[in-house]
Amino acid sequence: NAGVTQTPKFQVLKTGQSMTLQCAQDMNHEYMSWYRQDPGMGLRLIHYSVGAGITDQGEVPNGYNVSRSTTEDFPLRLLSAAPSQTSVYFCASRPVGLFGDEQYFGPGTRLTVT
Amino acid sequence: SQQGEEDPQALSIQEGENATMNCSYKTSINNLQWYRQNSGRGLVHLILIRSNEREKHSGRLRVTLDTSKKSSSLLITASRAADTASYFCATGSDYKLSFGAGTTVTVRA
Repeated sequence: NAGVTQTPKFQVLKTGQSMTLQCAQDMNHEYMSWYRQDPGMGLRLIHYSVGAGITDQGEVPNGYNVSRSTTEDFPLRLLSAAPSQTSVYFCASRPVGLFGDEQYFGPGTRLTVT
Repeated sequence: SQQGEEDPQALSIQEGENATMNCSYKTSINNLQWYRQNSGRGLVHLILIRSNEREKHSGRLRVTLDTSKKSSSLLITASRAADTASYFCATGSDYKLSFGAGTTVTVRA
């Protein structure tokens, strides 16, 4: 299993540009989430999904959109990039179930908005 | 808002020494998790302790939980250079985890 994969690893955008960060997992996990990590801070939840076709907002959703058309993929779209969105973005997944509390994280996408 | 707060923010120890870091949280929990992040990498799950547990071990890791004080500690025994990383506590349920800012541990050879 590849686990959770993210592309690209690095990205530089100009203010106002849009782009999609890709996330895929091959573990058949129902739950998937997007977090951002800023210097000196913990991870903050952007959006999450409990299954295909179901998404909801996390703590910092403004400026981001998500969709979940398949169990495997959970892309994050930046609609109009702003310098405040410069961050490292992590995708995570976990299985449903009483014992499935552990989340599996991807390697991250480092985004710079100029 | 961050649920957990780790202390200290940074820790530097000699190889072979023990490293202890603490996590305090604000609201009642079902469980608390600890994750490790090596520089430039994603987070890796270390250990989960449930609210009805007081102590848990996994290899060189020992986690305690005091729900009356809303705090947890992570002890790494006999540290190695490979333990150099940031350590985060996380609380929450299912898909919505809340992380602290982390403790950065440096193990000197």
